[in-house]
Amino acid sequence: DVKVTQSSRYLVKRTGEKVFLECVQDMDHENMFWYRQDPGLGLRLIYFSYDVKMKEKGDIPEGYSVSREKKERFSLILESASTNQTSMYLCASSRRDRGYEQYFGPGTRLTVT
Amino acid sequence: QKEVEQDPGPLSVPEGAIVSLNCTYSNSAFQYFMWYRQYSRKGPELLMYTYSSGNKEDGRFTAQVDKSSKYISLFIRDSQPSDSATYLCAMSAKPWEYGNKLVFGAGTILRVKS
Repeated sequence: DVKVTQSSRYLVKRTGEKVFLECVQDMDHENMFWYRQDPGLGLRLIYFSYDVKMKEKGDIPEGYSVSREKKERFSLILESASTNQTSMYLCASSRRDRGYEQYFGPGTRLTVT
Repeated sequence: QKEVEQDPGPLSVPEGAIVSLNCTYSNSAFQYFMWYRQYSRKGPELLMYTYSSGNKEDGRFTAQVDKSSKYISLFIRDSQPSDSATYLCAMSAKPWEYGNKLVFGAGTILRVKS
């Protein structure tokens, strides 16, 4: 059974803290993605990576950075968390030649107080 | 204006009904159209994928694309309570190279009552 796992289901952090969200996939996928999901706004792409050490900005990269040191692992970093970053964060992966078929993790509900 | 518009619902139907879920879009370059299903407290999963215009059927599900109207639909026949979920449309303009981006709609909440 293919799997994308995320480090936490729920996370509560304080304003200004540095936050790490980690994602691991076991499907040997080239592509990995970080999205945030907010009511009424749907899924918005933050960053994606198509290879180890490669990254591309998505639609809303401000306030975020990413790291991909190994093929199976993609980390999202909030350098200084703010309340407007309270959201559901979803990680996904896909094969390079099947980018339409993204496999998602269960999500991390992040609350910044 | 958003690139992809989708009515958030909720859409509530009785078991056995035919359900129609829709998205409109503004970018005429979109050629690849997907429907994802998301159950509560889970990540989305791919349900249907179509390229360009036309219909595609898979069991009780039919995806329809009308590029001239910039309108896509997902039909569910004989709806079941297990179909209760959020349905997200997604689209892309480019073929699959180097992590091509998908643009998602906001999702429609569907509730099928037994």
